[in-house]
Amino acid sequence: ILNVEQSPQSLHVQEGDSTNFTCSFPSSNFYALHWYRWETAKSPEALFVMTLNGDEKKKGRISATLNTKEGYSYLYIKGSQPEDSATYLCAFSGGTSYGKLTFGQGTILTVHP
Amino acid sequence: GAGVSQSPSNKVTEKGKDVELRCDPISGHTALYWYRQSLGQGLEFLIYFQGNSAPDKSGLPSDRFSAERTGGSVSTLTIQRTQQEDSAVYLCASSLVASAGTNYGYTFGSGTRLTVV
Repeated sequence: ILNVEQSPQSLHVQEGDSTNFTCSFPSSNFYALHWYRWETAKSPEALFVMTLNGDEKKKGRISATLNTKEGYSYLYIKGSQPEDSATYLCAFSGGTSYGKLTFGQGTILTVHP
Repeated sequence: GAGVSQSPSNKVTEKGKDVELRCDPISGHTALYWYRQSLGQGLEFLIYFQGNSAPDKSGLPSDRFSAERTGGSVSTLTIQRTQQEDSAVYLCASSLVASAGTNYGYTFGSGTRLTVV
């Protein structure tokens, strides 16, 4: 069983604050780490796919880093906006399960105007 | 199609009845995945297809659950003799796959909300 842990479980911030979340995953037999944003009443949307240790990806105000040796990834949001409110999911593939993603429970972000 | 299409979007069924959920992936996506989210839970893997074959069906909760994919395209998830614990949102996703693995992001459908009463 692959354990993908996300923290915090939920987060409330004010508009303009910068924030970050953590995803931890098994550090052995790593294949890929994904981040998704899931807004209420919509489908999960892919943000980043990372496969190399030290990868850093950026999309607008959102960025992510990857450390496969210690088994963690950070997602950063700079200058949060109310429209960033969503559940942020990380997902891991590796070991004998490299063909599919195992998702964490998600971090629920609420940005208050 | 432009996106992943799932039908029906909502299904209410009586306990003991069979249901079929359909997923139409993005054209050209060879990999297709089924997940579900029960109330208060995370996304739970059910099964995935590479082409028409299912290399990993380890997440199917019981033998009441089955899935197939035909023509490398549409997939159907069938739940027989539904139980109340089957109530969940069933999500389908598709992706490109290089040789193997998860190099590409998933594109998800909007899901089927199944309620067993």
